[in-house]
Amino acid sequence: SQQGEEDPQALSIQEGENATMNCSYKTSINNLQWYRQNSGRGLVHLILIRSNEREKHSGRLRVTLDTSKKSSSLLITASRAADTASYFCATDQGAQKLVFGQGTRLTINP
Amino acid sequence: AAGVIQSPRHLIKEKRETATLKCYPIPRHDTVYWYQQGPGQDPQFLISFYEKMQSDKGSIPDRFSAQQFSDYHSELNMSSLELGDSALYFCASSPGPSYEQYFGPGTRLTVT
Repeated sequence: SQQGEEDPQALSIQEGENATMNCSYKTSINNLQWYRQNSGRGLVHLILIRSNEREKHSGRLRVTLDTSKKSSSLLITASRAADTASYFCATDQGAQKLVFGQGTRLTINP
Repeated sequence: AAGVIQSPRHLIKEKRETATLKCYPIPRHDTVYWYQQGPGQDPQFLISFYEKMQSDKGSIPDRFSAQQFSDYHSELNMSSLELGDSALYFCASSPGPSYEQYFGPGTRLTVT
């Protein structure tokens, strides 16, 4: 992948637990965006974090960015069954495109 | 709020046929992107347009072409279709470069 790795590739947790997904990338970036995708459906934008930001929150989502380590993490707190989906990170590397990671398949068990 | 509109949502074509996919961006968004997502794969960037001019090009085959029109909608034209072109094709729009990209629901293309 041009992007790097997402870790883990798959994650299964119980409803109510927190889920953490990690993303690494290889080049300098303008921003990093996280998306959710239900099977075969569209990509839903979750959050954008710019290269000069270290942490961002949106509802139950918390995103961190460490540009020195070229990594980001997405934390979903108090998970719900409806959070079951694939989660992708995507980097804006200065050209007018997003480079996606391979995604993490998250399963929330009731 | 208005979202990105793509048409058609599903398309079935035979090998060597042509296909045209349409994308209508969110109002006042001047930047459009096209991505291809194969089964079990992450989305791959194809091409983008900013203010009706091509702004970046990714792994788009020479058999494909695209343009953005004066009303900012975009069309992806695909010719000499191959079985490997079967995929989900997403259009995204943003209010400018390096802003959030909002994706449409996708067009599922099946080539038989």
